[in-house]
Amino acid sequence: AQSVTQPDIHITVSEGASLELRCNYSYGATPYLFWYVQSPGQGLQLLLKYFSGDTLVQGIKGFEAEFKRSQSSFNLRKPSVHWSDAAEYFCALYSGGGADGLTFGKGTHLIIQP
Amino acid sequence: GAVVSQHPSRVICKSGTSVKIECRSLDFQATTMFWYRQFPKKSLMLMATSNEGSKATYEQGVEKDKFLINHASLTLSTLTVTSAHPEDSSFYICSAKDMGRPVGEQYFGPGTRLTVT
Repeated sequence: AQSVTQPDIHITVSEGASLELRCNYSYGATPYLFWYVQSPGQGLQLLLKYFSGDTLVQGIKGFEAEFKRSQSSFNLRKPSVHWSDAAEYFCALYSGGGADGLTFGKGTHLIIQP
Repeated sequence: GAVVSQHPSRVICKSGTSVKIECRSLDFQATTMFWYRQFPKKSLMLMATSNEGSKATYEQGVEKDKFLINHASLTLSTLTVTSAHPEDSSFYICSAKDMGRPVGEQYFGPGTRLTVT
């Protein structure tokens, strides 16, 4: 069965600093990968996705992620964070086949220090 | 962009009663909708996949008689928590798949906070 691991439960970053959130997956083939952001009490907003092709994908709000097959990783990055980026970030995998539901990691809580 | 709404956003009910949560795709048709449950500090867990006009497919460990799902139209799915108990208190989130979008893409509703007293 597939799984998604986000090793960092919390990350604290100073405003203006760079950010990298880690995501590792386990799946027998190339998965479809997503990053979502959830603000308190809100639903999930899609930041970016990887289906195939270029392994560096650009998303909204200045985020990007790089798919590395050799490391089974799909880390999210942002060169300079803003206070409004404070939220919960989820990495998710879609394996296709008969089930279309997503498999989520446990999330990383991002705290922005002034 | 695609919008998914949920109603109510918060609900408090007494133990033993039933609660219905609605999920609507506002500007697209969704043959498939999904229901997730999110525990505090935890990930989203897929509960069931709801297909318009057919029975829902439940994930292992989810009681289908307790969590009734109806997907009566291309824009509406409902989740009814029957005979609710305090352990059913959680944040329930639905998502919908736009027929015209690539596989795997889902649009999420804002969630419903259920508290069972």
